Amino acid sequence: DTEVTQTPKHLVMGMTNKKSLKCEQHMGHRAMYWYKQKAKKPPELMFVYSYEKLSINESVPSRFSPECPNSSLLNLHLHALQPEDSALYLCASSQEQTLNTEAFFGQGTRLTVV
Amino acid sequence: DQQVKQNSPSLSVQEGRISILNCDYTNSMFDYFLWYKKYPAEGPTFLISISSIKDKNEDGRFTVFLNKSAKHLSLHIVPSQPGDSAVYFCASRGGSNYKLTFGKGTLLTVNP
Repeated sequence: DTEVTQTPKHLVMGMTNKKSLKCEQHMGHRAMYWYKQKAKKPPELMFVYSYEKLSINESVPSRFSPECPNSSLLNLHLHALQPEDSALYLCASSQEQTLNTEAFFGQGTRLTVV
Repeated sequence: DQQVKQNSPSLSVQEGRISILNCDYTNSMFDYFLWYKKYPAEGPTFLISISSIKDKNEDGRFTVFLNKSAKHLSLHIVPSQPGDSAVYFCASRGGSNYKLTFGKGTLLTVNP
């Protein structure tokens, strides 16, 4: 099983809303990632969790708040977003952050901020 | 500063022929390289990887070649199939935080 599951697949939210993106993996991976991808651009790293602790924050605005409740789950809490935050949000996991192995990606959440 | 470069935004090949996708990197700390395939509105799918201690890795129709001295890698797909049509991202990792850094991608179109 190399599946990373993201919910919801699509999300439309207003600039005053609070919403959460969810990600789940059952591969026993100890590193989990949030990426943001705009159209015709490569995925850009936002956050890395290693063993349920925040390891990397790529200077992401505080309106994005990650959370790792346990080793299988990763959430991204959204609050007061701007229209330019509309993008495909991708979750990924890998065996360990410091191990050279592949990262597996979920299908993404297509977020539209109106 | 782009540390991983895919200089061809698009490539078109005939079904059955070879597809060659290229990637260059600038960071000498990178020691692990990956190729991902991506369809629109989906997450990237891992294809094949190579460690810097190797110069070739093969998996079925996909072969990745690494030239460390030139800081260049390439993905060969042979024979190409219409279902291979997608955006291909080259990615590299290494350095103190093992971040995965992506190139801008190459859109491959395989014509029947």
